[in-house]
Amino acid sequence: KNEVEQSPQNLTAQEGEFITINCSYSVGISALHWLQQHPGGGIVSLFMLSSGKKKHGRLIATINIQEKHSSLHITASHPRDSAVYICAVRSGGKTSYDKVIFGPGTSLSVIP
Amino acid sequence: DTEVTQTPKHLVMGMTNKKSLKCEQHMGHRAMYWYKQKAKKPPELMFVYSYEKLSINESVPSRFSPECPNSSLLNLHLHALQPEDSALYLCASSQEPGTGGLGYTEAFFGQGTRLTVV
Repeated sequence: KNEVEQSPQNLTAQEGEFITINCSYSVGISALHWLQQHPGGGIVSLFMLSSGKKKHGRLIATINIQEKHSSLHITASHPRDSAVYICAVRSGGKTSYDKVIFGPGTSLSVIP
Repeated sequence: DTEVTQTPKHLVMGMTNKKSLKCEQHMGHRAMYWYKQKAKKPPELMFVYSYEKLSINESVPSRFSPECPNSSLLNLHLHALQPEDSALYLCASSQEPGTGGLGYTEAFFGQGTRLTVV
């Protein structure tokens, strides 16, 4: 079993739909990143979370440390949201060697 | 300026060639990273530079040689690569270094260099 898992693996949505991408992990973490990668290759950091919830525009990210689970929500989805969304966790803590573990990614396609 | 700039965007090289990838950031970040990404896979950490010193080498073959000439610039020198080294090479930076990649603060990524070894 991978230490970081995402679901769904692939997602197709109609423009305007509310989208949820899930990330679950099995290690202790100090932070979790949500990243967006467009087909061209460049990666954009969307959120870094260690607790609670963050919102930026139409994007909302939540994390439940006890449940070892995070969700990325996209409201009023748009074709330009089509990308691969990657969850990455930082295991360990600031005083010890830590490691970043990437999830496998969720490929999102939003159809007009 | 919140950009990480990578050049070139595309590179085709023969197995006997020597080439270099370049990454530049002017955000005053103290940590810079090289990642390798194969198609449909997540990025794999290769090297971490913290305050211009190499802090992590994830057992990368010596045909990849990183260099950090100053706090804004990171190079990856390539020599005698194999076709299986063809991939997207991503550079990233973050304000505060972390030992395992991505740092303790938000990470900024470049657009990547798509490398093909023939």
